[in-house]
Amino acid sequence: NAGVTQTPKFQVLKTGQSMTLQCAQDMNHNSMYWYRQDPGMGLRLIYYSASEGTTDKGEVPNGYNVSRLNKREFSLRLESAAPSQTSVYFCASSESRFRLKETQYFGPGTRLLVL
Amino acid sequence: AQSVTQPDIHITVSEGASLELRCNYSYGATPYLFWYVQSPGQGLQLLLKYFSGDTLVQGIKGFEAEFKRSQSSFNLRKPSVHWSDAAEYFCAVGTLNTGTASKLTFGTGTRLQVTL
Repeated sequence: NAGVTQTPKFQVLKTGQSMTLQCAQDMNHNSMYWYRQDPGMGLRLIYYSASEGTTDKGEVPNGYNVSRLNKREFSLRLESAAPSQTSVYFCASSESRFRLKETQYFGPGTRLLVL
Repeated sequence: AQSVTQPDIHITVSEGASLELRCNYSYGATPYLFWYVQSPGQGLQLLLKYFSGDTLVQGIKGFEAEFKRSQSSFNLRKPSVHWSDAAEYFCAVGTLNTGTASKLTFGTGTRLQVTL
């Protein structure tokens, strides 16, 4: 099993450009998450999908949109990139949407630089 | 609202020395607590988790953590650090939003450097 995979690994954008970060998991998990990681701030939740067909905002959703394409895939879109969106983006998944005990499994991350 | 504090931004220890990374949480209900490790250029990997029962939890790679409700703490320990333990460590508390998914609230992380 590959676990959680993310593409691309690294991307440079100019201000105002758009892009989509892709995430896929092969663990048959119901819930998927997008985080951003910034120095000194830990990980912050952008959006999550409790199950296929549902998405909800996290702590820092502004400037982002998401799509839960199917059970496996959860994409994050930046419609008009801004330098403040320079960050490392992590996708994660977990088996159950309700159980607090569930471990979240993380992908390797996408490093995004917006100039 | 829940929060997690990791007071040490950066810690340096010698290989073979013991390690303790501090974590304090704030949460109104029974906490579900996690420690994750992030090696350079990698994603996060779960080290251990606590939900209930024995307050001393064993994890992978020889790590353990102790839950102390009276101190709102969940400190991570290792008796003898190896050079490969150099990484960033994140404490997190799991919280449940009514009718929706559980989510993790992370601390800001502690970067561990190991000297030979």
